[in-house]
Parts: sequence; structure tokens; C-alpha cells
Amino acid sequence: DTAVSQTPKYLVTQMGNDKSIKCEQNLGHDTMYWYKQDSKKFLKIMFSYNNKELIINETVPNRFSPKSPDKAHLNLHINSLELGDSAVYFCASSQDIYEQYFGPGTRLTVT
Amino acid sequence: KQEVTQIPAALSVPEGENLVLNCSFTDSAIYNLQWFRQDPGKGLTSLLLIQSSQREQTSGRLNASLDKSSGRSTLYIAASQPGDSATYLCAVPPDAGGTSYGKLTFGQGTILTVHP
Repeated sequence: DTAVSQTPKYLVTQMGNDKSIKCEQNLGHDTMYWYKQDSKKFLKIMFSYNNKELIINETVPNRFSPKSPDKAHLNLHINSLELGDSAVYFCASSQDIYEQYFGPGTRLTVT
Repeated sequence: KQEVTQIPAALSVPEGENLVLNCSFTDSAIYNLQWFRQDPGKGLTSLLLIQSSQREQTSGRLNASLDKSSGRSTLYIAASQPGDSATYLCAVPPDAGGTSYGKLTFGQGTILTVHP
């Protein structure tokens, strides 16, 4: 059983489009995160939700909007995609502030 | 602002060698320290987590140490194997709640290559 899953694994789209990435965890964790890994492989947190409540909202453009319908899901919606949004996006989960478990990543390519 | 640095950026060793990867952080107010492994094109796999009150953790051939006051951690890999080839990342969350809750700050990683 996959602990943290993301769909899709690959996403290729054109500038200006709107897209969503879905994340689900079956670990029973109460906290979920979105991270971005850029072309230089640097990982940086974008958002975190604890019990469906937004906790961390880093300096991310308003075009990015996370949505947590329940504790097991945290989706990322991106409006008006730009070339600079091309990256690998990772979802993660943890119980409170403990060990974080990562999903396999979604490679987004904006052309 | 927390900054995490990993040295070396890349390391190539022959199979069987023992090796040490280094991680340093600027703000010692951390809750724990986590070491991850990332294989090319894959996600992150958690290797070890050391609580701020602990000095070290061991898992198989891996041993991680933490010196919180000096802002340093090391990951020791014994008897390296080609299957250990990957990027190794360390990350720390702040020892605070609120808007910093669970926020991991990552180093840029050490790319390890173990050749037969």
C-alpha cells in the first residue's frame, strides 16, 4: 500500500492553463505539506495543513491555492501557469511535527 | 532564517568504503533533524530522524549523529554499496509552533556515487 500518493506523476501543459495536482495519504496523519523542488534540486516548502487548517503559507504566488477537503487529502491548484512553475512538486505528511513521509512527486513542465 | 548546508556537494567512492556526509544548520533551535535519500526521478525516503534531545540514531549500516549546540549532524554509512548511490538530504524543522509548524528547511544535498 502506498503511504503518500500523488496524481498525476507527469504533467505537461501550456502557459496560461490551470491545473491541479492531487495528494492522498493513508497513514492517518493530521498534517500535510506541499514542497517544490526546482531545477537545481533545491526543496522548499510551499504550504502545510494541520487538520484541514492552513498553517504554513510561504511566499508563494496567489496563483497557487491548496485545498484540503479532509485530513487525508491535500490538493494543489495552479492558475495561469508560467514557465517558472516548471518543477517537481512533492506532497508529504506527518503526525504532528514528527517524521515526514513524502510522495513520489509530480513533474510539472510548462511549455 | 534557518540555513542548512551540506558538504560535500558530491562524493564518489569505491564499494566497501566507510563514508561521512556532513550537514550544518545556522539556527540551533530545531525540533529534530531528518536525513532523507532521493533516487533520480523519485521521491524522498526517510532514513533517520534524530530528536533534538538525542545524540545519535542507527539503522542498519547508517548512523546519524547530532550536535545541536554546534549546529552539526553527520551521516555515517558503513561498508558502502553501489545501491547506496543517491542524493542524501538533511532537513530541520524549527523548535516552534504557530506558522512554522513542521516547516522543514532542506540542505542542497550530497550526491553519492558508489562504484563497484
